[in-house]
Amino acid sequence: EAGVAQSPRYKIIEKRQSVAFWCNPISGHATLYWYQQILGQGPKLLIQFQNNGVVDDSQLPKDRFSAERLKGVDSTLKIQPAKLEDSAVYLCASTQVRGQGETQYFGPGTRLLVL
Amino acid sequence: QKEVEQDPGPLSVPEGAIVSLNCTYSNSAFQYFMWYRQYSRKGPELLMYTYSSGNKEDGRFTAQVDKSSKYISLFIRDSQPSDSATYLCAMSVYNNNDMRFGAGTRLTVKP
Repeated sequence: EAGVAQSPRYKIIEKRQSVAFWCNPISGHATLYWYQQILGQGPKLLIQFQNNGVVDDSQLPKDRFSAERLKGVDSTLKIQPAKLEDSAVYLCASTQVRGQGETQYFGPGTRLLVL
Repeated sequence: QKEVEQDPGPLSVPEGAIVSLNCTYSNSAFQYFMWYRQYSRKGPELLMYTYSSGNKEDGRFTAQVDKSSKYISLFIRDSQPSDSATYLCAMSVYNNNDMRFGAGTRLTVKP
């Protein structure tokens, strides 16, 4: 079974520029999550999708971050404009259903550095 | 006070040692408790999953949850160099919904 795919793996941009990350979850997984992991911290949930609908985006900085999941499969996360404090690893995860005991499978992450 | 507290370490032990990793939390509504292992430049992978209080054992790993003390632990027996990683505790009120992670403890097992 193929895992969660993310691209790019690394990105370096200047502050105020825009950047987009892509995630392809495990086939058949209905729920998709985007996390932000700042160096030395645990992942923080940014947004959760169930199929192509948003379940929770309460921690997403909506003035600069946006995310979409077209057709309930792939997802993109965008930052516009980026700030220095956005430097982090952006992790995508997916689960089959939102049920008891379902495991969240994480991708390798996209490492973003904002200069 | 952070919602989930975890000593970041680093923790260094010799091969074969018993490792104890811990987290405390403040939200008494948490019901689901997880431990994830994260290797360098990789995403976290689920190690242990516990619902409510009690112990759970899987091979060399044992997870304990004490809801009365708001304290969870992960024990690793006969630690191996391949166990060297960052261990993250995570918890949530509802399963797979808005998980809150600790900062992670970096563990090194020396041969």
